[in-house]
Amino acid sequence: QVQLVQSGAEVKKPGASVKVSCWASRYSFTSYGISWVRQAPGQGLEWLGWIRTSNGDANYPPKLQGRITMTTDTSTSTAYMELRSLRSDDTALYYCTRIVTGPTGGYLDSWGQGTLVTVSS
Amino acid sequence: DIQMTQSPSTLSASVGDRVTITCRASQSVNSWLAWYQQKPGQAPKLLIYRASSVESGVPSRFSGSGSGTEFTLTISSLQPDDFATYYCQQCSNYPYTFGQGTKLEIK
Repeated sequence: QVQLVQSGAEVKKPGASVKVSCWASRYSFTSYGISWVRQAPGQGLEWLGWIRTSNGDANYPPKLQGRITMTTDTSTSTAYMELRSLRSDDTALYYCTRIVTGPTGGYLDSWGQGTLVTVSS
Repeated sequence: DIQMTQSPSTLSASVGDRVTITCRASQSVNSWLAWYQQKPGQAPKLLIYRASSVESGVPSRFSGSGSGTEFTLTISSLQPDDFATYYCQQCSNYPYTFGQGTKLEIK
């Protein structure tokens, strides 16, 4: 069974950066992409983008362009999501997911346990 | 961005009921529509992908249908374990977007 294990909770001050890791196991890491999703307290789901693990190509939503970077380390089957210039409204539970991609689309078939990022002065 | 609108936002139902949740897209997403179930304190779980394909291990009472801009998730006979929040997501056009969620409550 696919496993995605994320790093622990973080508390950051406004303006700081956070880097969340996601260790994947029990499947071929470079055969699937990794996508990130966040959920603010009591709110719905927001897609943060995805990275093609085979070549490092990434796609981010316009509202986060310039603040977010997704990377991978294929030697350790680990994905990373870095968010910079943190604001209070970045406080959320951040999930990594495995994304299954087809020629024209995809879906998220496995989810990590989530990492709580709190931004507070 | 493609806007995904779910209805209703909240649904009250009883065990054994048949329920349907609708998801409408602001433009065609072909069949790249997925449904997820989220219980309190848990990560979302994939139920349906490509609009109508049931994920392995998901009970057969869950089904999905639709294409283009209108989709439905149906639970044929509600079980106690099904009371949760359900989200649709389009993965056809960037940025991939979620519906706002439908909370299924016990009547």
